[in-house]
Amino acid sequence: AQKVTQAQTEISVVEKEDVTLDCVYETRDTTYYLFWYKQPPSGELVFLIRRNSFDEQNEISGRYSWNFQKSTSSFNFTITASQVVDSAVYFCALSEEYRAQKLVFGQGTRLTINP
Amino acid sequence: AAGVIQSPRHLIKEKRETATLKCYPIPRHDTVYWYQQGPGQDPQFLISFYEKMQSDKGSIPDRFSAQQFSDYHSELNMSSLELGDSALYFCASTLTARGTQYFGPGTRLTVL
Repeated sequence: AQKVTQAQTEISVVEKEDVTLDCVYETRDTTYYLFWYKQPPSGELVFLIRRNSFDEQNEISGRYSWNFQKSTSSFNFTITASQVVDSAVYFCALSEEYRAQKLVFGQGTRLTINP
Repeated sequence: AAGVIQSPRHLIKEKRETATLKCYPIPRHDTVYWYQQGPGQDPQFLISFYEKMQSDKGSIPDRFSAQQFSDYHSELNMSSLELGDSALYFCASTLTARGTQYFGPGTRLTVL
């Protein structure tokens, strides 16, 4: 069965600090996809990144970076030099190749960046 | 770029009433997903459609039904509304069943 765990319920840091959001997943499929979505206070879900199970390359996009490690079933997200606008709930999600691609979300991590 | 459109954005209903939520996917997207997000919770998958056929079903109550039309828009029909149905309802669309899901802004349903 699919499962995504985000053990950090809430994180609070001061602006310009680096912060890492953890995500651990479970799946029996060999082909799957991992995602991160951002949900700001306005409520929409904003797509950040998608990785497939065959691509373990880490990715960097500006201040955002992602570390995918199949050996530990983790897909962690780091924000460098955090800004107040990064304050949001961040969801990690998983979809399996043969499950019509429905997303299974983690519980979310509420990130607060204090000025 | 065009995004997923959901209407209405806010909806207030009384218990036992019915509600219809609409979703207009990104142009050329053929797959639509519906999710329900309760307060302080993560989104939960309800149902999906690919090329107008139901492709998967999650924890969707029997009181709810949905369909995808020939123009690929989708509607979620909810009857005999209960207080527990109060939530944010998201629609997402993808170009194919393997594509990235892009979400609409959501419909906030409040049942009084």
